Amino acid sequence: DQQVKQNSPSLSVQEGRISILNCDYTNSMFDYFLWYKKYPAEGPTFLISISSIKDKNEDGRFTVFLNKSAKHLSLHIVPSQPGDSAVYFCAATSPGAGSYQLTFGKGTKLSVIP
Amino acid sequence: GAGVSQSPRYKVAKRGQDVALRCDPISGHVSLFWYQQALGQGPEFLTYFQNEAQLDKSGLPSDRFFAERPEGSVSTLKIQRTQQEDSAVYLCASSDGTETQYFGPGTRLLVL
Repeated sequence: DQQVKQNSPSLSVQEGRISILNCDYTNSMFDYFLWYKKYPAEGPTFLISISSIKDKNEDGRFTVFLNKSAKHLSLHIVPSQPGDSAVYFCAATSPGAGSYQLTFGKGTKLSVIP
Repeated sequence: GAGVSQSPRYKVAKRGQDVALRCDPISGHVSLFWYQQALGQGPEFLTYFQNEAQLDKSGLPSDRFFAERPEGSVSTLKIQRTQQEDSAVYLCASSDGTETQYFGPGTRLLVL
């Protein structure tokens, strides 16, 4: 049973527009969430994270929103650039419960069209 | 500074062969994690070390998988008697004790 779900396998966006990637989770013990970006033949690269005590975190062009009651988070990229084309993984962990392993979704492949 | 490094980057093994995968974490990082990523899937947790202590090995799929970190820095993931279903990318990550983990480039293992 997938505890972290990314229901869109792929997303295409025009350069300059907003990209919105979604993630849902089922485990209410998760209290910290991260987004990673992955290029082919490379390891995941950390992008941005959010603690469950917040509902928004922003870093440059990247903003993550967390809706705890809906167990839903999203990553907004604005404006989207061709170099953002990659697979994006949502991950969750429960440090508050003493568990530090990351549980990942299956990823969403973002294509930014010039 | 240097990131997480892994070697070899690619490994082809015959079924039944033993393999050893190495991870060099970021210097000073106390926590080290191993993940397995199958094609089209997200990484899945295998095991976790804090310094030299293996605190969680609940994700290891069978007793053919063994990991060690004897001096609290470099770690080795060993797979004995490899099977075709072991073919995957093996990712190592380290952290300084905070929630953020930094990943290496991975070792792509192909078992024929």
